[in-house]
Amino acid sequence: GENVGLHLPTLSVQEGDNSIINCAYSNSASDYFIWYKQESGKGPQFIIDIRSNMDKRQGQRVTVLLNKTVKHLSLQIAATQPGDSAVYFCAENTGFQKLVFGTGTRLLVSP
Amino acid sequence: GAVVSQHPSWVICKSGTSVKIECRSLDFQATTMFWYRQFPKQSLMLMATSNEGSKATYEQGVEKDKFLINHASLTLSTLTVTSAHPEDSSFYICSARSKTGLDTQYFGPGTRLTVL
Repeated sequence: GENVGLHLPTLSVQEGDNSIINCAYSNSASDYFIWYKQESGKGPQFIIDIRSNMDKRQGQRVTVLLNKTVKHLSLQIAATQPGDSAVYFCAENTGFQKLVFGTGTRLLVSP
Repeated sequence: GAVVSQHPSWVICKSGTSVKIECRSLDFQATTMFWYRQFPKQSLMLMATSNEGSKATYEQGVEKDKFLINHASLTLSTLTVTSAHPEDSSFYICSARSKTGLDTQYFGPGTRLTVL
């Protein structure tokens, strides 16, 4: 069958801009969400997480927003830097110990 | 804190041989470790969940006799790819969840397996 993973969504931004990466999750019972950053040839790196009893959480230069009504998650990166270039994955904890990963978004930051 | 290591970082082997990959949590105890597989430009696909001292739980479609998982201690899990074939070539990544009970999984750096 068609492999939709080969066409990774890409977001291209200029250095210094704010970036917003979106994710739609599947399970309305999911209670915990994580954003990971993966650079080429490396394992995913934890960025920020949020529980379902919250709708916003802020970290250093990053903010995660959760809209449970439409099952949508977003990651906002302020003042994007070239070092932020990577593939970003959202993951949801469906309640069976397991994380289910989204398809990923490639962020390209131009200097 | 929350550092996970994998060894080796890459391995090339001949078809029909077996390869063992180690996953260690370096600064925390992990009651649960997870093994993922990732093909180029694709997301992570969970292969199995490994709890210390018990048998691993495999995802549908993953052959347990081909991908042997052992979780002998709170800091070490191993994945052995038996009788490897070229289609097993992939990026294998482990993660570990802390004994403290939080849901966050911390990932290792991955192991690139190439089967000739």
